Amino acid sequence: NAGVTQTPKFRILKIGQSMTLQCTQDMNHNYMYWYRQDPGMGLKLIYYSVGAGITDKGEVPNGYNVSRSTTEDFPLRLELAAPSQTSVYFCASRDGSASSYEQYFGPGTRLTVT
Amino acid sequence: AQTVTQSQPEMSVQEAETVTLSCTYDTSESDYYLFWYKQPPSRQMILVIRQEAYKQQNATENRFSVNFQKAAKSFSLKISDSQLGDAAMYFCAYRSASEWAGGTSYGKLTFGQGTILTVHP
Repeated sequence: NAGVTQTPKFRILKIGQSMTLQCTQDMNHNYMYWYRQDPGMGLKLIYYSVGAGITDKGEVPNGYNVSRSTTEDFPLRLELAAPSQTSVYFCASRDGSASSYEQYFGPGTRLTVT
Repeated sequence: AQTVTQSQPEMSVQEAETVTLSCTYDTSESDYYLFWYKQPPSRQMILVIRQEAYKQQNATENRFSVNFQKAAKSFSLKISDSQLGDAAMYFCAYRSASEWAGGTSYGKLTFGQGTILTVHP
């Protein structure tokens, strides 16, 4: 059971380039989330999904897109990268049942846009 | 909207001693969950402890305990017998419980700014 995996671990992008951050979970969780963590700050929600085919915006969605074609995968797409998107990106998942409390986090992707 | 504030950017403690990290939050909801997460240099987010707002009893997990003051909207973390491995960034987080009643919170976590804990040998 690998939990939540993210690729790549590190990436440097030039301004205007695009990329996709991959996230996969093997716990059959319905809920998945993307957060970003700016230096010295807490995490902020970018997008979330409550099941395959269902996604919605979080607090800071501008400049990002997501899709959820399967339960396992929740990729985050950056279009036209900007320096303001330099951050650490975390994917998380959670069982959507009433008794579940914990969000399980991936190891993060450190992205630098120069 | 809910907010979470951690007013201590950095704290330090001697090994084997006790340290308390502070957290306050603002919400108009009555049912919610509070969490403390640990983030070591590896960046992995690790759940340390959780508290359900409807429970009056403070949560405890081994050397970690909380002081939950609902009226004051305060949620501090006490680490007893501090160990070198406790050194990390600690985040306080809030989550609405309203999704269980058909709300639209979707289980989002709202995080504080974090407190860097240093443990001195």
